[in-house]
Amino acid sequence: DAKTTQPPSMDCAEGRAANLPCNHSTISGNEYVYWYRQIHSQGPQYIIHGLKNNETNEMASLIITEDRKSSTLILPHATLRDTAVYYCIVPPRQLTFGSGTQLTVLP
Amino acid sequence: DTEVTQTPKHLVMGMTNKKSLKCEQHMGHRAMYWYKQKAKKPPELMFVYSYEKLSINESVPSRFSPECPNSSLLNLHLHALQPEDSALYLCASSQDMGGSSYNEQFFGPGTRLTVL
Repeated sequence: DAKTTQPPSMDCAEGRAANLPCNHSTISGNEYVYWYRQIHSQGPQYIIHGLKNNETNEMASLIITEDRKSSTLILPHATLRDTAVYYCIVPPRQLTFGSGTQLTVLP
Repeated sequence: DTEVTQTPKHLVMGMTNKKSLKCEQHMGHRAMYWYKQKAKKPPELMFVYSYEKLSINESVPSRFSPECPNSSLLNLHLHALQPEDSALYLCASSQDMGGSSYNEQFFGPGTRLTVL
């Protein structure tokens, strides 16, 4: 299983883009990168996933480096409701959460 | 309907009690999961059911007993728990666990369990 490394915490001003990095240098060629977030005391929420191309949905964008060893989740216009723990995961068949990044969006 | 529901939201039980946590989804998902989450820690996988059969047991103590009566329901039976079992218990579902690919999971809001 590929291991992921994320900064423990980040701050972002409301309305600005939040860029959350993740290192997954041991990722295999066919493993996807998934992002989830967990708002305090709620269940985790799926955000986005990708293999090698950049991906965008209504919640976020995912930028994966060409060598696939790292990725960045981008919340284009962060709001206070985006304050949460963000998990970057490279699952084979099951989900193992790492420590994640606590993103705090500041007013 | 893309919702996973869990009942109860909160549960307080003594160490000699028997209780059950319930989870339900109506998305036609064939894989269902139980996770345990302690405060300020990430969720930890406990059990996985695939097509109503227990597929993964992450060496969970026998005082936790999962049950999947049908493809929409998942129970977690609790008996003789310890205070250190107090945690948020999360249920999730996904389309399936087929092949070697991972399918994104939908999580319920969790049951906050306190063992006295």
